[in-house]
Amino acid sequence: EIVMTQSPATLSVSPGERAALSCRASQGVNSNLAWYQQKPGQAPRLLIYGASTRATGIPARFSGTGSGTEFTLTISSLQSEDFAVYYCQQYNNWPPLTFGGGTKVEIK
Amino acid sequence: EVQLVESGGELVQPGGSLRLSCAASGFTFSSYWMSWVRQAPGKGLEWVANIKQEGSEKYYVDSVKGRFIISRDNAKNLLYLQMNSLTVEDTAVYYCARPGWEVFVNHFQYWGQGTLVTVSS
Repeated sequence: EIVMTQSPATLSVSPGERAALSCRASQGVNSNLAWYQQKPGQAPRLLIYGASTRATGIPARFSGTGSGTEFTLTISSLQSEDFAVYYCQQYNNWPPLTFGGGTKVEIK
Repeated sequence: EVQLVESGGELVQPGGSLRLSCAASGFTFSSYWMSWVRQAPGKGLEWVANIKQEGSEKYYVDSVKGRFIISRDNAKNLLYLQMNSLTVEDTAVYYCARPGWEVFVNHFQYWGQGTLVTVSS
C-alpha cells in the first residue's frame, strides 16, 4: 500500500499570502496524483490532477508541481474562499487508492 | 450536467446491514469505473471500493473485505454498496465518486453530496 503523508497538518496564512502544501508518497507514483479541496459540510472538489493540471474552472492561483514521491500544491494569493482542508490522492498503484491525511489552511 | 445522488444512509445497530445507492445522470454511466469513498466524522477521506464498467472487477479496502459488496446496474444508472456486519468504525459519510476519464481508474472528478451512515446502539 502506498502511504501518502501531508504536511503540515495545519497551515495558518493571512489573506493575500502564498501557501505551499506538501504531499509525500511512500513510493513513486509518477504523476498520478490529485489534489482536492474540501469545505465543511461539502463534498471534496477536484483541484489538480496529473500532479499539475488544473481541473475545469479552478483559478490560476492554484498550481501543482512534483512527480515521483514529492508533490506541492501552491496557492499563490489566498482568498477568503480558499480556507479549507486539502487532500492529495494517488492513483498510480492500487488497490488501495490512497489519500493523504489532509492539510487544514486556516486564517492567521 | 453530471450528477451523483446518494441515498440509503441511516442509523443502524452494530452487526446490522444497510444498502446504499447512488443514482447517476448526465453521462454514460456504463463507460466509467465507479467508486465509494467515505469520511468518518472529523477525519480524512478513505477509498472504500470500486467497480469496473461492466462489473467484472471489484476491489475493496482491507477493512471492508468480506463485509461490503459493491455492485452496479448499468441499465438503471445505479451504483450500490451493500454493507453487512457493520461496526462503529464504519460510521461515516459515504460518497459516490466518478473518475475524470473513461476506461481506467484515475482522479475523482465528480462526487455526490454524500449519505451519512451511523452505526450505534
